[in-house]
Amino acid sequence: DGGITQSPKYLFRKEGQNVTLSCEQNLNHDAMYWYRQDPGQGLRLIYYSQIVNDFQKGDIAEGYSVSREKKESFPLTVTSAQKNPTAFYLCASMGTTERELFFGEGSRLTVL
Amino acid sequence: GEDVEQSLFLSVREGDSSVINCTYTDSSSTYLYWYKQEPGAGLQLLTYIFSNMDMKQDQRLTVLLNKKDKHLSLRIADTQTGDSAIYFCAEQNTGFQKLVFGTGTRLLVSP
Repeated sequence: DGGITQSPKYLFRKEGQNVTLSCEQNLNHDAMYWYRQDPGQGLRLIYYSQIVNDFQKGDIAEGYSVSREKKESFPLTVTSAQKNPTAFYLCASMGTTERELFFGEGSRLTVL
Repeated sequence: GEDVEQSLFLSVREGDSSVINCTYTDSSSTYLYWYKQEPGAGLQLLTYIFSNMDMKQDQRLTVLLNKKDKHLSLRIADTQTGDSAIYFCAEQNTGFQKLVFGTGTRLLVSP
């Protein structure tokens, strides 16, 4: 079945460690996105990529990094510079002729 | 800049209608969306409306758009307990392939 797969679903990290969240899609979509969700704040855009080997900062990119080496994959690294990384992270993708943003099931990161 | 606002909570009884409201600031918004999020899951598209439309109906869902006031609403008729979720409003400008989301409205449906 076509869709977006995020892994891991739950992740625990010690302070000072970098962690990478995986996002893979088999929908043949050009555009991919990372959002962060916090209670009462909705979804905030971290990074997005409209084409392979290109990506742009969203509204809250500080402390995060991404790569887009393949169309199917858009991993997000949460670095130790991110001061408050505990959150629910959502990956999404969209086709160029579609209006729907397809979401993965999310990854919940907890910093201990 | 773009901003989308929603009330945080709504509580209704099963069988009643629910109305979730949203306001946005970007007058050049072309598409406006409603997404639903079940607990611990991603978002699923419920419906969307093009900015030159006033209303769109899809089974139990009715979307109303007041472009002058930049106000969007989602009405759910005959609300069921399975409709309990967080509902997000989002707007998109055709010049950009990214959506701006509201804070989400948590709908609680009691039996």
